[in-house]
Amino acid sequence: GQQVMQIPQYQHVQEGEDFTTYCNSSTTLSNIQWYKQRPGGHPVFLIQLVKSGEVKKQKRLTFQFGEAKKNSSLHITATQTTDVGTYFCAGDAGGTSYGKLTFGQGTILTVHP
Amino acid sequence: NAGVTQTPKFQVLKTGQSMTLQCAQDMNHNSMYWYRQDPGMGLRLIYYSASEGTTDKGEVPNGYNVSRLNKREFSLRLESAAPSQTSVYFCASSEVWYYTQYFGPGTRLTVL
Repeated sequence: GQQVMQIPQYQHVQEGEDFTTYCNSSTTLSNIQWYKQRPGGHPVFLIQLVKSGEVKKQKRLTFQFGEAKKNSSLHITATQTTDVGTYFCAGDAGGTSYGKLTFGQGTILTVHP
Repeated sequence: NAGVTQTPKFQVLKTGQSMTLQCAQDMNHNSMYWYRQDPGMGLRLIYYSASEGTTDKGEVPNGYNVSRLNKREFSLRLESAAPSQTSVYFCASSEVWYYTQYFGPGTRLTVL
């Protein structure tokens, strides 16, 4: 079945440093979504990427979808303590799997003030 | 507008006991989902309902059953709980099956 791998599993940064998490799928995706989960909380939608090579920005967050639609990344510039949490990518293979998201294992981000 | 609500928030069961996790959404969404989250495993889809009256298996359906009671409610039943089902369970909904998913606060289940 479809697999979505996410690296790194953990990332510790000093406040103000940049952070990147990478997501790789074993199959071509119709779209990829990113979610953030604060400690003790539930996943909250951040963004959806659909087009090959797509780049979207949300303030200090930059999301990219690979040309082959099999990988994606999330980059945070100048991290803040409010960025703490687990970041998940979730891939939708489309076709008969439409709507059935496969989540990566997540990257746990710790930001030291 | 409460979004997605789940009950109970916490539950402790003994092996072999049964229980039903309840989920309701007030966003008039068509699609609903049940996930489990285990450390280091991300979220894994148990069952989903693309629209009222339909349900389908996800990645890890064994040991679970679901009921889409109406458009608002989607319940998850454990018939005979096992320690391997100790997890955090999240319900989610989306307007249609290819849109953003909105998650509930989760149910933390421990099976002894």
